[in-house]
Amino acid sequence: EVQLVESGGGLVQPGGSLRLSCAASGFTFSSYAMSWVRQAPGKGLEWVSAISGSGGSTYYADSVKGRFTISRDNSKNTLYLQMNSLRAEDTAVYYCAKFKDRSYYYMDVWGKGTTVTVSS
Amino acid sequence: EIVLTQSPATLSLSPGERATLSCRASQSVSSYLAWYQQKPGQAPRLLIYDASNRATGIPARFSGSGSGTDFTLTISSLEPEDFAVYYCQQRSNWPPAYTFGQGTKLEIK
Repeated sequence: EVQLVESGGGLVQPGGSLRLSCAASGFTFSSYAMSWVRQAPGKGLEWVSAISGSGGSTYYADSVKGRFTISRDNSKNTLYLQMNSLRAEDTAVYYCAKFKDRSYYYMDVWGKGTTVTVSS
Repeated sequence: EIVLTQSPATLSLSPGERATLSCRASQSVSSYLAWYQQKPGQAPRLLIYDASNRATGIPARFSGSGSGTDFTLTISSLEPEDFAVYYCQQRSNWPPAYTFGQGTKLEIK
């Protein structure tokens, strides 16, 4: 069964840092690009970042560029999101998602999410 | 940046009725559009990709249509489990950047 399990969320003060992880199983992890998508409380979906299967290419939304870093360890089948200089507006449920195929267009498998709260 | 506008914001229907949800793009996205379903407390689920292709395991009552700037998700006969929020999504050409519509809440009348 294809599965994604996020972890690492929690309460952090403004200006702080947090690293999210996403453990993948049930598919050849290194063959697929991956993404992080977030959802603020009561709001819609917002794409955060994406990374190629090899990890050599990374992409970011303007709202997180320069503060967040996406990475992956294909030997551990794990995706990461390092979040620095956190702001109140980064408060959200963070989902990791697998792209459907090499075209990078659509996300066909999602984790259950991990909650990040930025507050003093 | 391409903006996706969904309408209506809320749709109130009864089980067995037909649902028609709209997604309009601020510029052409060809057929590169997806639809997702999200139930409360759950992750989104891919329903439709490339505007009209059903994802694996999605029932035939879900169908998508459209190209360019105007897209429609149709649920032919609503089942109780279909009441949820629906989002459309597109990807810009290069570099990849993804946008979602603001969502349509499908509620029981």
